[in-house]
Amino acid sequence: DAGVIQSPRHEVTEMGQEVTLRCKPISGHDYLFWYRQTMMRGLELLIYFNNNVPIDDSGMPEDRFSAKMPNASFSTLKIQPSEPRDSAVYFCASRAAGANVLTFGAGSRLTVL
Amino acid sequence: GIQVEQSPPDLILQEGANSTLRCNFSDSVNNLQWFHQNPWGQLINLFYIPSGTKQNGRLSATTVATERYSLLYISSSQTTDSGVYFCAVPRGGSQGNLIFGKGTKLSVKP
Repeated sequence: DAGVIQSPRHEVTEMGQEVTLRCKPISGHDYLFWYRQTMMRGLELLIYFNNNVPIDDSGMPEDRFSAKMPNASFSTLKIQPSEPRDSAVYFCASRAAGANVLTFGAGSRLTVL
Repeated sequence: GIQVEQSPPDLILQEGANSTLRCNFSDSVNNLQWFHQNPWGQLINLFYIPSGTKQNGRLSATTVATERYSLLYISSSQTTDSGVYFCAVPRGGSQGNLIFGKGTKLSVKP
């Protein structure tokens, strides 16, 4: 099992550019979560999916953020347009139905200049 | 909403020393997890421990749900234990919508 796979690991972009972060959950996991980690706010949930359907997106900061899960093995988090305050580490996590433990990916470190 | 507080915020240990990290939460929970974030940023689940005590090698955890706290014990610390330790509890009934504490940053010196 390769675990939760995220890409890119690092992204540096300029303000106003579109950013797309990608995640492949563990095969067979029905739940997928996107978290953001910053020094100021710590780890916070942005959105999560169950069986590819968005369940709770109340943590998505604003309309510039969007997330999709077109199939069980792939999800994207998009920021358009990006701003310097979006700089953070974005984590994807997954878990199986009925399980309690989340498995996190290695994270994508985003820097918006 | 539920509040999660961890203490101490920072901890420096000499290799071989023992330590206790604490997590207080403001409401009853049916799920509590401890994570370790290593210096490279990877978040690893250490324990799922809604109540009782569990042990895994040099690490053990105890949750007293009725008193709304959990403790993480690290014995005979090693430099590889360095990093940030987070506890997390679910927001409402969602097992995945975890609320994380601010963490305890542990530095183990050789």
